[in-house]
Amino acid sequence: QQQVKQSPQSLIVQKGGIPIINCAYENTAFDYFPWYQQFPGKGPALLIAIRPDVSEKKEGRFTISFNKSAKQFSLHIMDSQPGDSATYFCAATPIFQTGANNLFFGTGTRLTVIP
Amino acid sequence: DAGVTQSPTHLIKTRGQHVTLRCSPISGHKSVSWYQQVLGQGPQFIFQYYEKEERGRGNFPDRFSARQFPNYSSELNVNALLLGDSALYLCASSLAGQPNYEQYFGPGTRLTVT
Repeated sequence: QQQVKQSPQSLIVQKGGIPIINCAYENTAFDYFPWYQQFPGKGPALLIAIRPDVSEKKEGRFTISFNKSAKQFSLHIMDSQPGDSATYFCAATPIFQTGANNLFFGTGTRLTVIP
Repeated sequence: DAGVTQSPTHLIKTRGQHVTLRCSPISGHKSVSWYQQVLGQGPQFIFQYYEKEERGRGNFPDRFSARQFPNYSSELNVNALLLGDSALYLCASSLAGQPNYEQYFGPGTRLTVT
């Protein structure tokens, strides 16, 4: 069972557009929600992360919006560039628990930014 | 500052063989996690180690095992390889097992089983 559901599977935008990637979760124990960017043949790189005590977080051109009641969060990429073309993964983990704080990943969104 | 390093980069094995993958965490990081990423999917958690002790294990068979050394580097071992074990194996390190939560990934080892 997929603990974090991600959509869309793929996304094509023009340069300067604002792609939006959405994720949803069911486990209310999740307490930390990172986004990773992955280029072909590379490992995932941590982009930005949010805790549920805030509804929005911005870092550069990347913004996370978080809706705790709906158990949803999304990534917005402002002024997208061709260099942003990559696969994006949302993830979630319960931080304060015994045992491992393993990440549960979404299925990924392949973003293509057309020049 | 060096990131997470993994070796080898690529590996080709035959069904039934054994493989050992290696990971060195970011300097100062004491926790290492292993993930399997099948083509087209998100990474799946295999193990987490902190201070040389196993902190958690994902839904993988006993053919998968790991250990962490005193210098916090780690090995992932897979016995009796199956075709379905072909994947990108990722190592991630974090400052502490918990509650510190930022995990940084290495470039991965691409394993192909024929």
